[in-house]
Amino acid sequence: AQSVTQLGSHVSVSEGALVLLRCNYSSSVPPYLFWYVQYPNQGLQLLLKYTTGATLVKGINGFEAEFKKSETSFHLTKPSAHMSDAAEYFCAVSDINTGGFKTIFGAGTRLFVKA
Amino acid sequence: EAQVTQNPRYLITVTGKKLTVTCSQNMNHEYMSWYRQDPGLGLRQIYYSMNVEVTDKGDVPEGYKVSRKEKRNFPLILESPSPNQTSLYFCASGRTNYNQPQHFGDGTRLSIL
Repeated sequence: AQSVTQLGSHVSVSEGALVLLRCNYSSSVPPYLFWYVQYPNQGLQLLLKYTTGATLVKGINGFEAEFKKSETSFHLTKPSAHMSDAAEYFCAVSDINTGGFKTIFGAGTRLFVKA
Repeated sequence: EAQVTQNPRYLITVTGKKLTVTCSQNMNHEYMSWYRQDPGLGLRQIYYSMNVEVTDKGDVPEGYKVSRKEKRNFPLILESPSPNQTSLYFCASGRTNYNQPQHFGDGTRLSIL
């Protein structure tokens, strides 16, 4: 079965520093990959997605992620953290073995940004 | 405004008292899904629906029921709630293609005493 692993339940960075949130998936075929962000008391919002084509994907708010098939990874990065980036981030995979209708989420990484 | 609306947002109830959480979307999406979010576990899929009258189990369906009689609505039913169903619940919708993202409601926090 598909699984998604997010390394680090909490990540703390200083404002202006690089943000790196890690995501690894298990799949025998390239999956469809998503990053979502959740602000307090809100639902999830899409940051970016990888389906096919270019492996470096740009999303909203300056985030980007790179799909690396050989490493089964889809890490999320942002060059310079802003206080408003403090939130919980979820990596998700569409399970194409079930026609893509099942979605598997990682456990989430809470990002703290220090002034 | 495109949105997924869940009601209620908060509910405290007692073991065994049937409850329904409603979910409605105004984007004409075929796909709808329910998740529960628990600390350290992320979101786990309860049930999903590919279209009207078509539903299937996710990873944690036990103790839940759903129905999809209309395209826009996808209620979650707890026939006999138990304390282990205390959680934060999210409804989501999207286009049927598996490379499409989902749009989420703001969540329903259920406490079962």
